[in-house]
Amino acid sequence: DTGVSQNPRHKITKRGQNVTFRCDPISEHNRLYWYRQTLGQGPEFLTYFQNEAQLEKSRLLSDRFSAERPKGSFSTLEIQRTEQGDSAMYLCASRPLAGVYNEQFFGPGTRLTVL
Amino acid sequence: AQKVTQAQTEISVVEKEDVTLDCVYETRDTTYYLFWYKQPPSGELVFLIRRNSFDEQNEISGRYSWNFQKSTSSFNFTITASQVVDSAVYFCALSEGGQGGSEKLVFGKGTKLTVNP
Repeated sequence: DTGVSQNPRHKITKRGQNVTFRCDPISEHNRLYWYRQTLGQGPEFLTYFQNEAQLEKSRLLSDRFSAERPKGSFSTLEIQRTEQGDSAMYLCASRPLAGVYNEQFFGPGTRLTVL
Repeated sequence: AQKVTQAQTEISVVEKEDVTLDCVYETRDTTYYLFWYKQPPSGELVFLIRRNSFDEQNEISGRYSWNFQKSTSSFNFTITASQVVDSAVYFCALSEGGQGGSEKLVFGKGTKLTVNP
């Protein structure tokens, strides 16, 4: 399967702990996106990378959140000092640089539960 | 600011009925793109269709059809002869176009469709 992959699929943690999620985009997709989806809502944009450069960040991305894409391939999203409000599905998407339509392909998501 | 409204929170139909999912959008951009995604119970968002702001032609793909009307800022999605496998949450999304435009997709809150046998 050559789609977007995310690990882990599920994460349960205690409030105050740090968590890290990984996203592997479709091969040769230069652009990578992170979204957060809470229950009953549509996904909300967090940030995006073009290769290793982080080009846009949402105001939703507080100081406790950091995302990296060190070699322009996979990306990690870290949440420090987790809070119960961080419980959500974290979605990763990718698309190639070529093409003007911003058609993003999503992974299965990582569901985070903060106790 | 960009905004997508899906007024229908939940729809329930019986198999073989036709169903239309509504989407109304707001944007100040003249170039923009509209999308529909399907999210089955497994959770993965599946891309269905994209339409750019300069192309108002309606599209049909099998049992799916889309009606884009700039005059009413709507991009509605119709499933003909619905099937149980169509049960999912459907999201409409919008993104800016052109050089320097934001890369983000702005999603509506989704419409949960249940097709009963």
